[in-house]
Amino acid sequence: AQRVTQPEKLLSVFKGAPVELKCNYSYSGSPELFWYVQYSRQRLQLLLRHISRESIKGFTADLNKGETSFHLKKPFAQEEDSAMYYCALSAALSGGYNKLIFGAGTRLAVHP
Amino acid sequence: DGGITQSPKYLFRKEGQNVTLSCEQNLNHDAMYWYRQDPGQGLRLIYYSQIVNDFQKGDIAEGYSVSREKKESFPLTVTSAQKNPTAFYLCASSIERFRELFFGEGSRLTVL
Repeated sequence: AQRVTQPEKLLSVFKGAPVELKCNYSYSGSPELFWYVQYSRQRLQLLLRHISRESIKGFTADLNKGETSFHLKKPFAQEEDSAMYYCALSAALSGGYNKLIFGAGTRLAVHP
Repeated sequence: DGGITQSPKYLFRKEGQNVTLSCEQNLNHDAMYWYRQDPGQGLRLIYYSQIVNDFQKGDIAEGYSVSREKKESFPLTVTSAQKNPTAFYLCASSIERFRELFFGEGSRLTVL
């Protein structure tokens, strides 16, 4: 079954602390994974994708196929990082198209 | 200003009534999607469309209908057959078969 699991509904940290938002997936093929973020009163937007191997706003995520994980990390959290974070898996549809399967989301709260 | 526009932002409906949510994009994207967002469940795919006059059911299509008469428009109708329609609905679009999804601001539907 194709599934994305984010085990934490809420992650609360202090400013300057390291952050790790967990994401595990279940997919039979070669996975393509993403992190989306929704800041307060803003629309959902792409944060990063694993194929780009990029760092956005200090966040990184490494795909670990052995552990089927794609955890999002940041060494020093900032208050402006407070948001809802969704891990998403690209899954094939009929006709060769793709859809995104989302996890339930983790709310990150960074306190001063 | 390019992007995806959803309307209305808030909508109240009496039981037994159909309601249509609008989604318009001026990004010239081929693919459009409708997701439903419920607390603790992440986003679930309702319908998607890759080209004009073609659309496919997603994971939770029962009680919903769509049309794609124009490339820029993908309205969603929540019918009286939808047993639990109160939710936050998100429209998204992407280029070609799959690239980054761009989301609208969402429409919150409440059934009274």
